Formats: sequence, structure tokens, C-alpha cells
Amino acid sequence: GAVVSQHPSWVICKSGTSVKIECRSLDFQATTMFWYRQFPKQSLMLMATSNEGSKATYEQGVEKDKFLINHASLTLSTLTVTSAHPEDSSFYICSARKFVAGTYNEQFFGPGTRLTVL
Amino acid sequence: RKEVEQDPGPFNVPEGATVAFNCTYSNSASQSFFWYRQDCRKEPKLLMSVYSSGNEDGRFTAQLNRASQYISLLIRDSKLSDSATYLCVVLFQAGTALIFGKGTTLSVSS
Repeated sequence: GAVVSQHPSWVICKSGTSVKIECRSLDFQATTMFWYRQFPKQSLMLMATSNEGSKATYEQGVEKDKFLINHASLTLSTLTVTSAHPEDSSFYICSARKFVAGTYNEQFFGPGTRLTVL
Repeated sequence: RKEVEQDPGPFNVPEGATVAFNCTYSNSASQSFFWYRQDCRKEPKLLMSVYSSGNEDGRFTAQLNRASQYISLLIRDSKLSDSATYLCVVLFQAGTALIFGKGTTLSVSS
């Protein structure tokens, strides 16, 4: 199988602080990772696409200076929520795409990080 | 215009019932289609892919109508453990991210 981990699983922080979330593919290399955000009773909304060694591509309406993404290796991508505010409280989920030549490249999801900003 | 739309739900059904979920997508060039299941406060998990010919996995049957841009999921003989949110998911283009519908919540009661 393919396992994706996220750390931390939950975090509570004060308004104005920055929070870093790690996403790791444990048993495969992921050239592409995706970051989603899910508010209560809402769908998973794609925030950005992260490619190893290059700048992330952000979806419309997502501030790249607020949500910093780094994908420095084939197994690790990080999302940093800078100067977090209560409206950033959400469930952040990463996924990693496992590349297998000639087949559909399934996305595997991490367990999510629940962020609460006080 | 939303890219992937689903029945609003929630669906509350007794054990043993048959329930159907519907979904429509806006991009006619979409390539792949899936149903995911999400339990409360958990990540989504792939339930099944959806093919034009229709496909079945035990009590679950998925259908795709490309002409109508319509996807369905049928659950027969509902179990308590089927209670979850079911997400209609579309891949518009190879290499891009999965796009999720809002989800339909199913609650199966005894």
C-alpha cells in the first residue's frame, strides 16, 4: 500500500502565530503533493499543488504569502500557515500522488491536521 | 457554477434499505470519476472508481453517464457501518488534483 502521514494531527494556537504542518509519503516517492482545506460540513477545497523542487501552484483565492508551501524532497511537503487567525481554523489534508508509469496515478491522503486558532 | 454537485442530503434510512446518491459535474472533458467515503473527522478514503460501463463492488454499484455528466452510487442492504459522508470526486485532467463534491451524509439506523 501507500501511506501518507501528517504531523501534527491537531494543533491549537493563538492568533498571530505561525503553524507548520508536515506531510510525508512513507513508502513511496511523490513528485506531486496536494493541500486541501475542509471547513465543517463543507467539501475538501484544493488550496495548492506542490511539485518537488519547484514553486507551488495556488488555487484562486488562496494567498500564497499566507500559506507557504515547501516541497523540498520527494517524500516531504510542508504547509505553513503564517499569522494564523480564527478564520483559518479548519481541517487541513494533504495528499500525495504515487507515480506508476502507464497507470492511473492514485492520490493517497494523509489523516489530516485539525487547526484551531484562538 | 460549482464543478461537482451532489444531492444535499442528509439521508436517514433503516438498516437493509437501498439508497442512491447522485452527482453531476461541469467539465465535460473530465477523465476519471470516483466515490470516496469520509467518516467524521477523518480523511477521505477511496470507495470505488466509476466506469462508463457501470461497476459493482459487493453491495455498492456505481454508474457514469458521460452524455449527461452524471454519476450515481447505489448502496443495497444498508448496514449501520455504512453511515458516513459520501463524496463524489472527479479528475478533470491527468496530473491535476482530485476535485471533490460537497458530500452527502448517510445515516443508517437500526
